[in-house]
Amino acid sequence: AQSVAQPEDQVNVAEGNPLTVKCTYSVSGNPYLFWYVQYPNRGLQFLLKYITGDNLVKGSYGFEAEFNKSQTSFHLKKPSALVSDSALYFCAVRVSYNNNDMRFGAGTRLTVKP
Amino acid sequence: DAMVIQNPRYQVTQFGKPVTLSCSQTLNHNVMYWYQQKSSQAPKLLFHYYDKDFNNEADTPDNFQSRRPNTSFCFLDIRSPGLGDAAMYLCATSRGDISNQPQHFGDGTRLSIL
Repeated sequence: AQSVAQPEDQVNVAEGNPLTVKCTYSVSGNPYLFWYVQYPNRGLQFLLKYITGDNLVKGSYGFEAEFNKSQTSFHLKKPSALVSDSALYFCAVRVSYNNNDMRFGAGTRLTVKP
Repeated sequence: DAMVIQNPRYQVTQFGKPVTLSCSQTLNHNVMYWYQQKSSQAPKLLFHYYDKDFNNEADTPDNFQSRRPNTSFCFLDIRSPGLGDAAMYLCATSRGDISNQPQHFGDGTRLSIL
């Protein structure tokens, strides 16, 4: 069964420090991987995706993610965290042969402290 | 700007009293989704429309139904809300012909049950 896992419920970092939010996936077939961010009382906002090609994907708000096929991971990263990055982050996987089948991870709450 | 709009943002209903949540989109996407999200958990897919074709998830309770009168609008009907149905309900859209595109989310309707 297709799935994603976010092993950390909570990530705390200090402002200005690099941040990493982890995601691993398990799919049969070629995975299409996505990261979304959710602010309080808002919907999910798309940050970036990996489809094919370069393993390092750059997205919105200075975020990037690295696809690692051997480790089946797609970790979200940012070189220098901002307090405004504090939010809930979801990793999601869509299996390429089923356009409408998307699985979300449980979410990771990122807190950036001043 | 093209977007996904959900109304109302907050809805209060009584236990057992039918309620309808609405979603509209200006993206002209042919796929529309309804998700239920509880307490910062992962969004749970209830059902989706691919054009006019309705696709129900196997574990979606019969209490939940949906209507899509045209491409732009989609409704979520809860026939007899129970306390366990209190949640954030998210509408999303995507293009059905391109599987590598992200889903676009509305800001949700937070449903409370008295």
